[in-house]
Order: sequence, then C-alpha cells, then structure tokens
Amino acid sequence: KAGVTQTPRYLIKTRGQQVTLSCSPISGHRSVSWYQQTPGQGLQFLFEYFSETQRNKGNFPGRFSGRQFSNSRSEMNVSTLELGDSALYLCASWDPSGGLLETQYFGPGTRLLVL
Amino acid sequence: AQSVTQLGSHVSVSEGALVLLRCNYSSSVPPYLFWYVQYPNQGLQLLLKYTSAATLVKGINGFEAEFKKSETSFHLTKPSAHMSDAAEYFCAVSVNTGFQKLVFGTGTRLLVSP
Repeated sequence: KAGVTQTPRYLIKTRGQQVTLSCSPISGHRSVSWYQQTPGQGLQFLFEYFSETQRNKGNFPGRFSGRQFSNSRSEMNVSTLELGDSALYLCASWDPSGGLLETQYFGPGTRLLVL
Repeated sequence: AQSVTQLGSHVSVSEGALVLLRCNYSSSVPPYLFWYVQYPNQGLQLLLKYTSAATLVKGINGFEAEFKKSETSFHLTKPSAHMSDAAEYFCAVSVNTGFQKLVFGTGTRLLVSP
C-alpha cells in the first residue's frame, strides 16, 4: 500500500495570502487528522475528518479550515496567513473500523513558510 | 483535560547503553497512550500503543513501554541504543477512543554517541 502523501512538501507564502494543503490517506482509511508542528508550541491538533464530516476540532482560529472528499482525500486551508502560521503541517490517516488494533500513519508533512 | 509531560528535552546515551525516555500522563479516565518517533524531515511513526490490554507493551525497533497507573507513567525503554535511534520521540494521549485527536508531549530528542 502507498503511504500517506501530502502535497506540496514545501511552500512559501506572504502574510495575508491564503494556502491550501492536500493530504491523500492510505487506501481504505476514512479518518484523516491534521496537526500543526512548531518549535514553540509543539504538535497541536487542528481537526479530524471521517467520512466527509468534521468530528473533532482543536483550538485554532476560524482562519484554519478543512474538508474531506468522498475518496477520503482531505484538504486544509489557511486564510489571511500570519507569520506565526509558519510550521510543519502533518496529516495522519487511520481506519477506525479496527479500533486501536489498527495503526495510524502520518504523512511527511508540508512545511509552510510565511514571509 | 488530558495531558502528557515528557521529562527532559534532550537525552544523550552511548551506543549500546540503555535508553529511557520518560512520560507522565494526566487523565481523569483510563487513557490510551502512544509513543511516536520522528526522524529529521519526516512525519511521525508509531512505535507502540497502550490500549489497556497489557501493561507492558512491545513496539517496533526493540522499544517497549510499561504502563504504571500508580505512577501515572508510560516510560519508553530500549535495552541497547543504536546510532539509528537518534531522533525525536513524542509521547501522546488520546482524548477519544482512538487516534482521532491526540495530545502530544513536547518531545525528547535522543542523541546517541559512538
């Protein structure tokens, strides 16, 4: 099976712009979670989607949004970028049908730099 | 709210020495606990998980962790460090019944010297 893929891998934007990041989960995995990783705040949960529905949401402003498509691919969008949004954005996929017998897999991340 | 605390942002060991990375959790309900490893410029890889089936959990690459409720701990160990173990390690707790929403510790960078 192919692993979790994220595109693009690297991105440079300027303040005020918006950005869309994409995550393709492992085939058959219907749960996709997003995390932001920064040196200062560490790994923080953004949101989780399952079958096109947002099931969980972290404590991020409304500028951060996401969606999931019928093929389980997910996108996250950040509008009106701020310097503090510079981070590694990780997505992870999982098949909940097996509960915790299953394993969650992370993608390599998209590194976003906001100038 | 559930949380995890990792003691020591950096741990240095010699190759062949015991690896011990510490994690303490705070949870009002029985938690699910996880250890992940992150190599430079890569995503996270699950090493092992505690799901209440057994208190001693064996993972990949020779790592294991023991759940101790009385100490609210879930420390990660490996009997003999290898150079390839140098990476950052994260302890995490689940606030749901699965992987949906993990709360991570601040991470411990493991340095292995020859």
